[in-house]
Amino acid sequence: AQSVTQLDSQVPVFEEAPVELRCNYSSSVSVYLFWYVQYPNQGLQLLLKYLSGSTLVKGINGFEAEFNKSQTSFHLRKPSVHISDTAEYFCAVSDVSGGSNYKLTFGKGTLLTVNP
Amino acid sequence: DTGVSQDPRHKITKRGQNVTFRCDPISEHNRLYWYRQTLGQGPEFLTYFQNEAQLEKSRLLSDRFSAERPKGSFSTLEIQRTEQGDSAMYLCASCLIYNEQFFGPGTRLTVL
Repeated sequence: AQSVTQLDSQVPVFEEAPVELRCNYSSSVSVYLFWYVQYPNQGLQLLLKYLSGSTLVKGINGFEAEFNKSQTSFHLRKPSVHISDTAEYFCAVSDVSGGSNYKLTFGKGTLLTVNP
Repeated sequence: DTGVSQDPRHKITKRGQNVTFRCDPISEHNRLYWYRQTLGQGPEFLTYFQNEAQLEKSRLLSDRFSAERPKGSFSTLEIQRTEQGDSAMYLCASCLIYNEQFFGPGTRLTVL
């Protein structure tokens, strides 16, 4: 079984400031890692994913994340946020072996609010 | 629009009524997932189809819930005898390869 912990339920920042959204996971097997963004009353959009290889992955809208296996973390970062980045962000994992049909296990989400 | 679509977007019903939701995945996507998201929580897995076969069901999917995917195309999720605890956003996702699920806009269910 896997679990995902998003350490901050809300993160307020000012426009053009850097931001880091934290994600830790627990799993007895190797996992794929994902970050999704959800705007109000919409579905989820994939920001980025880690499957293998380089531990630093770049995604859409200027976001990046770093996989740290020893700390079982996958924190999301952006060097300069915009008002339009205000949304809920979800970290998710899935089992690489396919034994769980690649279903996603999500954290509870972090609400990023960018203030002018 | 070639994305995942869901219908209806919103549903308000009275306790005890039956409701049915539809999901149209991206064409050629053989994998389809249903998730449920309650307020302040991340989505939780409900069930999984590969083509027309329902291969996994979560324990969250009580006997009042049933899902189908006839002919491996669209999928329906039915809830019988709705309860207030069923109020949630129901999300559908599809994928062709295992590592990128595309989500629909969701159906928000309110049970009065």
